[in-house]
Amino acid sequence: SQTIHQWPATLVQPVGSPLSLECTVEGTSNPNLYWYRQAAGRGLQLLFYSVGIGQISSEVPQNLSASRPQDRQFILSSKKLLLSDSGFYLCAWSGRQGAGEQYFGPGTRLTVT
Amino acid sequence: AQSVSQHNHHVILSEAASLELGCNYSYGGTVNLFWYVQYPGQHLQLLLKYFSGDPLVKGIKGFEAEFIKSKFSFNLRKPSVQWSDTAEYFCAVEGGSYIPTFGRGTSLIVHP
Repeated sequence: SQTIHQWPATLVQPVGSPLSLECTVEGTSNPNLYWYRQAAGRGLQLLFYSVGIGQISSEVPQNLSASRPQDRQFILSSKKLLLSDSGFYLCAWSGRQGAGEQYFGPGTRLTVT
Repeated sequence: AQSVSQHNHHVILSEAASLELGCNYSYGGTVNLFWYVQYPGQHLQLLLKYFSGDPLVKGIKGFEAEFIKSKFSFNLRKPSVQWSDTAEYFCAVEGGSYIPTFGRGTSLIVHP
């Protein structure tokens, strides 16, 4: 069966520090991968998605970047965190053809101080 | 670009009450429609989905949703809610880009 992992679960970082959040998927190959930010009352904001290794599409210009160094690994990064980067970050995957339903990870709660 | 509107941001019900959560979208073409649920402390998970066929779809835990194409709606219903249905509910629409757009979510609290 497929599983999706995210770490860390929680993170507290000072303003200006770098960020690296990791997401890995097991039990499937060639998934579409997604990074979302979930804010209370605002739903899920799509940040990045990827249809393959090295292929990243950005939905919202911001202080974050994403990379996909391996088929089932998706990394969210920042060189210098801002206070406004605080939030709950979700990784998700879906099948390659026509996407369909998404499967979400447990999320990372990031607090920038 | 597609958009999704969930009309009710917070809903409070007593057990056994009926539930209907509204979801409207804006997209003129063929769509795939989803409802996801996030129980407290758990992953976001699929509740039900519509791709084609019967516009009345049934999901887990007694939930159902009806796709009304003329109204661009996909409302979620349950005839009798339980305390365990307390959760946040998200409607999502996937149009031609195969990238889903999520609504802002509805927080449901069910009192025992």
